[in-house]
Amino acid sequence: DVKVTQSSRYLVKRTGEKVFLECVQDMDHENMFWYRQDPGLGLRLIYFSYDVKMKEKGDIPEGYSVSREKKERFSLILESASTNQTSMYLCASSLVQGKTQYFGPGTRLLVL
Amino acid sequence: AQTVTQSQPEMSVQEAETVTLSCTYDTSENNYYLFWYKQPPSRQMILVIRQEAYKQQNATENRFSVNFQKAAKSFSLKISDSQLGDTAMYFCAFMKHTSNYQLIWGAGTKLIIKP
Repeated sequence: DVKVTQSSRYLVKRTGEKVFLECVQDMDHENMFWYRQDPGLGLRLIYFSYDVKMKEKGDIPEGYSVSREKKERFSLILESASTNQTSMYLCASSLVQGKTQYFGPGTRLLVL
Repeated sequence: AQTVTQSQPEMSVQEAETVTLSCTYDTSENNYYLFWYKQPPSRQMILVIRQEAYKQQNATENRFSVNFQKAAKSFSLKISDSQLGDTAMYFCAFMKHTSNYQLIWGAGTKLIIKP
């Protein structure tokens, strides 16, 4: 079974803090994704990585950056957290030619 | 641009009943993939079922089946003999055939199975 894990289930941060969300997958998947999930909006892609050190912006990259130094690990960084970044963050992975994405349990982030 | 619409924000049915969740999409593509994902409360999002647009036969996975109407751009999910464990958010999603990552998501339907 594919396993995608995220470093925290719940996180509370202050406005202006730098926040790191980490995601690890154990199935040697090339593709990794960060989504943001908000009620009534579905999932929105923040960033996508198709290989180590490679990344592409998704639909809502503003205020976020990512890092992929190793194939199995994909980090999402909020450089200066703001209250409008309070949300559920989902990480996913897939094979390079795969259509199915496998998700982590999510991190619920509250920015005060 | 592609869009996915789930018109039912919330539904509830009795255990053992059959329920159908609706999904419509808008695209000018001819080849694409459609997905239903399930997100149980406080648990991971998982794939329920997947349909390739070039296949005429509707996909089925045990109690889950789809009604894929390509001309109408409709992709509904039918859950037969519903169980309490089916309680979840259900998301419909679209992917172009030429893409290996860009999923377009619907807003989701919250399904509650009542005992």
